[in-house]
Amino acid sequence: AQSVTQPDIHITVSEGASLELRCNYSYGATPYLFWYVQSPGQGLQLLLKYFSGDTLVQGIKGFEAEFKRSQSSFNLRKPSVHWSDAAEYFCAVGPPGGYNKLIFGAGTRLAVHP
Amino acid sequence: DAGVIQSPRHEVTEMGQEVTLRCKPISGHDYLFWYRQTMMRGLELLIYFNNNVPIDDSGMPEDRFSAKMPNASFSTLKIQPSEPRDSAVYFCASSLSFAVHTGELFFGEGSRLTVL
Repeated sequence: AQSVTQPDIHITVSEGASLELRCNYSYGATPYLFWYVQSPGQGLQLLLKYFSGDTLVQGIKGFEAEFKRSQSSFNLRKPSVHWSDAAEYFCAVGPPGGYNKLIFGAGTRLAVHP
Repeated sequence: DAGVIQSPRHEVTEMGQEVTLRCKPISGHDYLFWYRQTMMRGLELLIYFNNNVPIDDSGMPEDRFSAKMPNASFSTLKIQPSEPRDSAVYFCASSLSFAVHTGELFFGEGSRLTVL
């Protein structure tokens, strides 16, 4: 069965510092991978996605993620965090065939210190 | 476009009462999804519709939950009777297609339900 693990429940970084949020998936085939962000009181917004090809994908708001098949990981990164990045981040995986029945990780809550 | 619109944003009710959550998808989107978000279980897909027809309701927790989509611009999720363990944030999402390549999921702001 597919599963998504986000090992870090909470992360705190200082504004301007770099960020890496971890995501590991359990899957037999090449997965469809996503990162979503949920700001307080808001719905989820797609940051970026990976289907195939270049393993480093760029998203909105200066985020990027790298797919590493050997590690079954799809970690989200940002070189310099802004206070407005404080939110909850969800990694998700899509089933074979690329259908919109996504399975979400438990989320990582990011706090940003001034 | 206004995006996916959900109502109410917050609902507080007592155990045993009926709860109805509402969703208006983005115009032209053929797929509508209901998700539930809890601390214990995270985000779970409850049910999804295609062209107003329920396709997969395997995520609906039990018979107390029901969902309908009477037309392309409106869906409801009903809980009757409600229980404290139903307390959660319920999200509605819509997409243009079922394929991730062509159908990004757009989420509403959610309905926070508290059952006392």
